[in-house]
Amino acid sequence: QSVLTQPPSVSGAPGQRVIISCTGNTSNIGAGYDAHWYQQLPGTAPKLLIYGNTNRPSGVPDRFSGSKSGTSASLAITGLQAEDESDYYCQSYDSSLSGWVFGGGTKLTVL
Amino acid sequence: EVQLVESGGDLVQPGGSLRLSCAASGFTFSGYWMHWVRQVPGKELVWVSRINSDGSTTTYADSVKGRFTISRDNAKSTLYLQMNSLRAEDTAVYYCARVSYYYDSSGLSARYYFDYWGQGTLVTVSS
Repeated sequence: QSVLTQPPSVSGAPGQRVIISCTGNTSNIGAGYDAHWYQQLPGTAPKLLIYGNTNRPSGVPDRFSGSKSGTSASLAITGLQAEDESDYYCQSYDSSLSGWVFGGGTKLTVL
Repeated sequence: EVQLVESGGDLVQPGGSLRLSCAASGFTFSGYWMHWVRQVPGKELVWVSRINSDGSTTTYADSVKGRFTISRDNAKSTLYLQMNSLRAEDTAVYYCARVSYYYDSSGLSARYYFDYWGQGTLVTVSS
């Protein structure tokens, strides 16, 4: 069981908007540690998508955005495209575990 | 261009040992913390270990503490993971990842994130 909770799957039609949630607790996101998001295409390594809750590295389309509130964070993807079909992971730091933690991952299906 | 290339993954018997390597290029290796993260195929990412830039401090997940040792050779721009007393549950793809950081709004606390990942190397523990 992952420390950060994500929905196992989400789906949307091309052009639509989807949101992936990441729920933590008072030892990680709720303690002020930021959430970061990674995209993992099938058979490849994870790739940084969002860091520091809301920041996009260069090269990441502005269709991807992040937010944080309380003990949770969210990743929003607008204007869904077929190439967005992937697994998405949130990540933070947990002070009670003294380590870095990931969510269980969310599989995005573009219908 | 930042590149991280893992090697050393193999099939090993329970109780055996293995050393993974991660060769870094395209950046000043000695200036960055590095981590190992593993993933059972089809499952979630799990953090394993981290080492600071000069190798003086290390941290481990409870599941590997006392069995795994992370180290680095800055002269060779290479990160290592020595894995001893391997168990079936250590079977996974092992990724090395570079960490970058920024400071939070107070300016007092660093926040770390994984900005580059290697392609991974598969470790299978089975008799």
